[in-house]
Amino acid sequence: AQKITQTQPGMFVQEKEAVTLDCTYDTSDPSYGLFWYKQPSSGEMIFLIYQGSYDQQNATEGRYSLNFQKARKSANLVISASQLGDSAMYFCAMRDLTNFGNEKLTFGTGTRLTIIP
Amino acid sequence: KAGVTQTPRYLIKTRGQQVTLSCSPISGHRSVSWYQQTPGQGLQFLFEYFSETQRNKGNFPGRFSGRQFSNSRSEMNVSTLELGDSALYLCASSPGTGGNQPQHFGDGTRLSIL
Repeated sequence: AQKITQTQPGMFVQEKEAVTLDCTYDTSDPSYGLFWYKQPSSGEMIFLIYQGSYDQQNATEGRYSLNFQKARKSANLVISASQLGDSAMYFCAMRDLTNFGNEKLTFGTGTRLTIIP
Repeated sequence: KAGVTQTPRYLIKTRGQQVTLSCSPISGHRSVSWYQQTPGQGLQFLFEYFSETQRNKGNFPGRFSGRQFSNSRSEMNVSTLELGDSALYLCASSPGTGGNQPQHFGDGTRLSIL
């Protein structure tokens, strides 16, 4: 079984500062993928970044980067130079890659990020 | 490219009724998944359809069912509604190959049970 833990229910960060959102996971799957999604108050889930368990380098997408530490089973999201529009819920999710075509995502409980002007 | 479209956006029902939610995936996507989001349970996987077949299923009672049409559009049905079914129901589409392909979500249908 897969489990995602996000220990920060809420965070307040000053605009333009960098922020790290924590995510730890537990799985017995030999191959897995980790996703981060952003959910504004409107409800839509927006895909941010992906990291595969066998990827040698940490993923980066614009202002988003993923600090992947496989031995510690952590996949923290780093947002550089935060903006007011970054205020939202952020979810870490995992997918088992062992079975081809598996789409199911297991989500954490989320972190509500508020950017302060 | 149009995104995932869910209808309706809001729905109010009473206990015992049934409801049907609709999802139109991104053009070319063959997989549609459904998730339930509640404050207490968070985001939970309901089921996934690929090429009109249910390929994966979460731990929900049989009152929750779905189907997918030949054009990849999907519907989700909940029968004998209970107060605990009040939730945001999210639909997500993807090519269907899993792996590193992210699911793309719609805005959701907010269902309230009175």
